Amino acid sequence: KAGVTQTPRYLIKTRGQQVTLSCSPISGHRSVSWYQQTPGQGLQFLFEYFSETQRNKGNFPGRFSGRQFSNSRSEMNVSTLELGDSALYLCASTNAGSGRPETQYFGPGTRLLVL
Amino acid sequence: GDSVTQMEGPVTLSEEAFLTINCTYTATGYPSLFWYVQYPGEGLQLLLKATKADDKGSNKGFEATYRKETTSFHLEKGSVQVSDSAVYFCALRTNAGKSTFGDGTTLTVKP
Repeated sequence: KAGVTQTPRYLIKTRGQQVTLSCSPISGHRSVSWYQQTPGQGLQFLFEYFSETQRNKGNFPGRFSGRQFSNSRSEMNVSTLELGDSALYLCASTNAGSGRPETQYFGPGTRLLVL
Repeated sequence: GDSVTQMEGPVTLSEEAFLTINCTYTATGYPSLFWYVQYPGEGLQLLLKATKADDKGSNKGFEATYRKETTSFHLEKGSVQVSDSAVYFCALRTNAGKSTFGDGTTLTVKP
């Protein structure tokens, strides 16, 4: 089985721009979660989508949004970028709804640098 | 709310030393417990997991046992290698589908 894929792997943007990150989960997984990882704040949960519906949400401003498509692929959008948005954005694929204990599998991440 | 507390790092060991990274948790119900490892510039890799009390997860020489009575899931390895140098995260996931991660412990193994 192919793992979780994230594109692009690296991005450089300037303040005020917007960015869209993409995540393709493991085949058969219907849940995708997004996390922001920074040296100072550690791993912070953004949101989770399951079958195209937002299932859980973290404490991030409305500039951070996401969506999930019918093929379970997910996108995350950040508008009006700030310097503090520079981080590694991780996507995790979960076997939610399978009837088995849920396990998260992470992608390699997208490293975003905001200048 | 749910929480995961893991041993503060950094931890520095010599090759072939014994490793323990402590992890305790607070959660309602019976969560699943996980250890993830992150190498520089990469995402988190699932190292091992346990889904019920007294289960032992193991992989690549690492082990951890789900202890309900002490709410712990300590990571151990009998003989570490330089290639084990990484950041290790303890995590739980509840039956409601919410995940909580520890702050991570940086392990450096010196030859």
